[in-house]
Amino acid sequence: VLTQSPATLSLSPGERATLFCWASQSVGTYVAWYQQKPGQAPRLVIYDASNRATGIPARFSGSGSGTGFTLTISTLEPEDFGVYYCQQRSNWPQKYTFGQGTKLEIK
Amino acid sequence: QVQLVESGGGVVQPGRSLRLSCAASGFTFSSYGMHWVRQAPGKGLECVAVIWYDGSNKYYSESVKGRFTISRDNSNNTMYLQMNSLRAEDTAVYYCARDYYSDGSGHTNWLDPWGQGTLVAVSS
Repeated sequence: VLTQSPATLSLSPGERATLFCWASQSVGTYVAWYQQKPGQAPRLVIYDASNRATGIPARFSGSGSGTGFTLTISTLEPEDFGVYYCQQRSNWPQKYTFGQGTKLEIK
Repeated sequence: QVQLVESGGGVVQPGRSLRLSCAASGFTFSSYGMHWVRQAPGKGLECVAVIWYDGSNKYYSESVKGRFTISRDNSNNTMYLQMNSLRAEDTAVYYCARDYYSDGSGHTNWLDPWGQGTLVAVSS
């Protein structure tokens, strides 16, 4: 089970955002973060806990291992607002689980 | 460029069947694992089925196991989701997504890119 906090984060452009994802058991670094904007499909932001996906700006960073993970957006831009989901995967047994999401909204 | 286009969604009565398709282009389809992810209205994401690049391994979430079947046709660059015994709780937008990278291991990995989604509504 993946638990994300907070459920909603209200910030202004220019501020720093920190989102959390907690796993019920160790998942190593097999965690990714996705961004979803209203009416759009999700987009991969961070994979393997700390690697930025292609085309993702450097203001996005991920960290963590084991059971606790963090997505940080250093300086929020207007286009960064939306819902962020963390996801974990395991190969044996195969399992793919998403967190319930954190809504990052403009304050 | 890489493109994934879902089709086959619609309104269906409980207990009936539906088959979704995901047409892929812009990459070597037979080299990538593929995923079906759904999102109920106003809710979060749920990975419902995954298939390895060659179709040799498949994963299903507990909520659809025994009712849904994932498959792929690498000669036609298309993935499918056969959905049987549909229930109201299967109502969702269904997205197909590709593995982010192909590393030759066979194991699937992260999801990117995604298609635009197709809506399945189960209602009498």
